[in-house]
Amino acid sequence: NAGVTQTPKFRILKIGQSMTLQCTQDMNHNYMYWYRQDPGMGLKLIYYSVGAGITDKGEVPNGYNVSRSTTEDFPLRLELAAPSQTSVYFCASSRTGGGSQSGSPLHFGNGTRLTVT
Amino acid sequence: GIQVEQSPPDLILQEGANSTLRCNFSDSVNNLQWFHQNPWGQLINLFYIPSGTKQNGRLSATTVATERYSLLYISSSQTTDSGVYFCAAVGDTGNQFYFGTGTSLTVIP
Repeated sequence: NAGVTQTPKFRILKIGQSMTLQCTQDMNHNYMYWYRQDPGMGLKLIYYSVGAGITDKGEVPNGYNVSRSTTEDFPLRLELAAPSQTSVYFCASSRTGGGSQSGSPLHFGNGTRLTVT
Repeated sequence: GIQVEQSPPDLILQEGANSTLRCNFSDSVNNLQWFHQNPWGQLINLFYIPSGTKQNGRLSATTVATERYSLLYISSSQTTDSGVYFCAAVGDTGNQFYFGTGTSLTVIP
């Protein structure tokens, strides 16, 4: 199994450009998440999805959009990139939700390092 | 959301030494997990441990939910244990994981 796969690994954007970060998982997990990690910090949740067609905002959703048309894919869209969006972005998935009484581990992709200049 | 605090922020160990990392959280939790971020940036799940004690090789973890803390023990540390250790918690309501700012561990030979 590949687990959670993110592309691209690295990207440099100019201010105002747009891009989509791709995330796909092959574990048939319902729950998927997008996090950003700034230097020396923990991870902040941008958006999450509890299943195909359902998405919800996390702590830091401004400047981002998501969609979930299939169980496997959860792309993150950046519109009008800004320097404040320079970060490492991680996608994650889990079989059950974080609040479930029968919780399951979060599995992370290897991240996308994004620089906006 | 839940506040998650980790200590110490930095730790330097000689190879073979033992260590204890602490994670305090501000409210009741349904879910508590420990992760290791290696020097290449990969995040590996170590434990899912909302309560009780688990062991996996040289690593073990204990969560005392009633007192709102979790501990990660690393015994006989190796250089490959270096990296940043994060804990993440989910409160009684909601699906969001809240991460601490991590403990950066360096194991020197």
